[in-house]
Amino acid sequence: GQQLNQSPQSMFIQEGEDVSMNCTSSSIFNTWLWYKQDPGEGPVLLIALYKAGELTSNGRLTAQFGITRKDSFLNISASIPSDVGIYFCAGHSNFGNEKLTFGTGTRLTIIP
Amino acid sequence: GAVVSQHPSRVICKSGTSVKIECRSLDFQATTMFWYRQFPKQSLMLMATSNEGSKATYEQGVEKDKFLINHASLTLSTLTVTSAHPEDSSFYICSAESGTSGGTDTQYFGPGTRLTVL
Repeated sequence: GQQLNQSPQSMFIQEGEDVSMNCTSSSIFNTWLWYKQDPGEGPVLLIALYKAGELTSNGRLTAQFGITRKDSFLNISASIPSDVGIYFCAGHSNFGNEKLTFGTGTRLTIIP
Repeated sequence: GAVVSQHPSRVICKSGTSVKIECRSLDFQATTMFWYRQFPKQSLMLMATSNEGSKATYEQGVEKDKFLINHASLTLSTLTVTSAHPEDSSFYICSAESGTSGGTDTQYFGPGTRLTVL
């Protein structure tokens, strides 16, 4: 089946640093979504991308839908302690297909 | 807006018993709801897609007789794990999608239910 590969798998950064993570696929996706999951909670939507090349911001978060439609990245600027968690990319592979495919996740840890 | 709740948040049961998990969309009507399972340190894996008033569509490898899904109204879907065994212990998460079936509306996730089978 389809798979979304995220990198890096984990990150250890200091507060205030910028963060960058990406998601790649071997096949085309028509939408890309970025979620954050805290321990013991469900994922919370951060940013949704619907068009190839689209660049969208949500506060300190910026995400882009790759031109090839096979990748997306998420940047977090000036990280703060509450950014700690697991970030998942997800996407719809076919228009009209409701099913989401999730990435493997990036675990973000902030070193005090 | 777009709040999804799950109940219970955690449940511990004995092997062989059945457990029902509820998923509700609180401020919107969801024609489609989804059930996921997440094992520790892993990603979310879709188990089934639930459409209001019709039978659920299960992903390959998911036993429909073991994981019973009912989507009786536009705001409620239930997942019943029948004859639960320790290997069914996992974090079960539902999501709800607003809009018409067949679209690619955003999925909003519930807070999850931690199931532990002894």
